[in-house]
Amino acid sequence: NAGVTQTPKFQVLKTGQSMTLQCAQDMNHEYMSWYRQDPGMGLRLIHYSVGAGITDQGEVPNGYNVSRSTTEDFPLRLLSAAPSQTSVYFCASARIMTATSTDTQYFGPGTRLTVL
Amino acid sequence: AQSVTQLGSHVSVSEGALVLLRCNYSSSVPPYLFWYVQYPNQGLQLLLKYTTGATLVKGINGFEAEFKKSETSFHLTKPSAHMSDAAEYFCAVSKMDSSYKLIFGSGTRLLVRP
Repeated sequence: NAGVTQTPKFQVLKTGQSMTLQCAQDMNHEYMSWYRQDPGMGLRLIHYSVGAGITDQGEVPNGYNVSRSTTEDFPLRLLSAAPSQTSVYFCASARIMTATSTDTQYFGPGTRLTVL
Repeated sequence: AQSVTQLGSHVSVSEGALVLLRCNYSSSVPPYLFWYVQYPNQGLQLLLKYTTGATLVKGINGFEAEFKKSETSFHLTKPSAHMSDAAEYFCAVSKMDSSYKLIFGSGTRLLVRP
């Protein structure tokens, strides 16, 4: 198992550019999510999905879009990059256990994004 | 609202000394609690988790944590620090709703002195 993979590892954008951060998992997990990590703030949830075709907003969704066409993939799109989106982005996946809990959430290695 | 507080953004210990990283949480429902470790330029790796049952939880690399409901704490300990333990540690609580969100503390960076 490769686990949770993310590409690219690093990316530099100019303000206003768009891009897609890729996330894939090979564990057949129903739940996938995107977090951003900023210094001194821990991780904050951007968007999440509980299965193919189902997505929802997290804590900080503005400026980001997601889609879930397959169980394996959960790309994050930045529509028009802004300097405030400079951050490290982590994708995570997990098996859903109950209506309110998952098994262990596994995190990818992250994408470090800089917006100039 | 649920929240997690990690006391001390940086903790420095000598190699071989006790490691104690503090975590307090607030939750209106019985919490699921987690400790994750992040090595430089890497993703988060689960150290240990508490869901139900025994309140003393053992994890990987010799770490353990004790869930104390009366103190709303879930402190992480290791009897003897190794140089390889130097990393950032995050405490998290599950929101226990349909978002399956993890609420993270702001992290504690552990420095291990030779």
